[in-house]
Amino acid sequence: DAKTTQPTSMDCAEGRAANLPCNHSTISGNEYVYWYRQIHSQGPQYIIHGLKNNETNEMASLIITEDRKSSTLILPHATLRDTAVYYCIVRVGTSGSRLTFGEGTQLTVNP
Amino acid sequence: DVKVTQSSRYLVKRTGEKVFLECVQDMDHENMFWYRQDPGLGLRLIYFSYDVKMKEKGDIPEGYSVSREKKERFSLILESASTNQTSMYLCASSPDRVRETQYFGPGTRLLVL
Repeated sequence: DAKTTQPTSMDCAEGRAANLPCNHSTISGNEYVYWYRQIHSQGPQYIIHGLKNNETNEMASLIITEDRKSSTLILPHATLRDTAVYYCIVRVGTSGSRLTFGEGTQLTVNP
Repeated sequence: DVKVTQSSRYLVKRTGEKVFLECVQDMDHENMFWYRQDPGLGLRLIYFSYDVKMKEKGDIPEGYSVSREKKERFSLILESASTNQTSMYLCASSPDRVRETQYFGPGTRLLVL
């Protein structure tokens, strides 16, 4: 699996967009980008995934650069409940099973 | 909404006890997983199952067993609990085509004394 690099921590004001970057410069052509988050003392939560096109769902948007070496998760209107550790994972879809989270980014949304 | 439930949020057991952790999902998912999560060690896969009565070892199966008699239910068994099994246990499920899209339960925080 391709290695990912994320900032250790970020802050965001409530109501503003939170943009969380992820570098995955060794990604291969059949690897997807997945995002999960984990709120303190809760189970991880799937957010979104994509291959090369930008994706949007009710939780977030995923922007993947044209060369696929980096991506950005966007929470358009961050709330206090979005405070969590966000994990970017690169995996080959359908071939594997285990998820491995790196250090992730601690996002703190401030009032 | 996908719902994965776990039988207990918090559990305290004594060394040597047999411990059952139950997980139920309501989305007819084929795949189910048991992980443990520890500070500094991240998420580690214990066992997983692709179908009823099927099970496969993950990265750290020692000291654990599993049971999947029905599609919606996946049980983790600690045959003889030890203090090093004190951890947060997380169950997840995923549809067959996109196994990496895993939906997690709330977790069971187990303390073995």
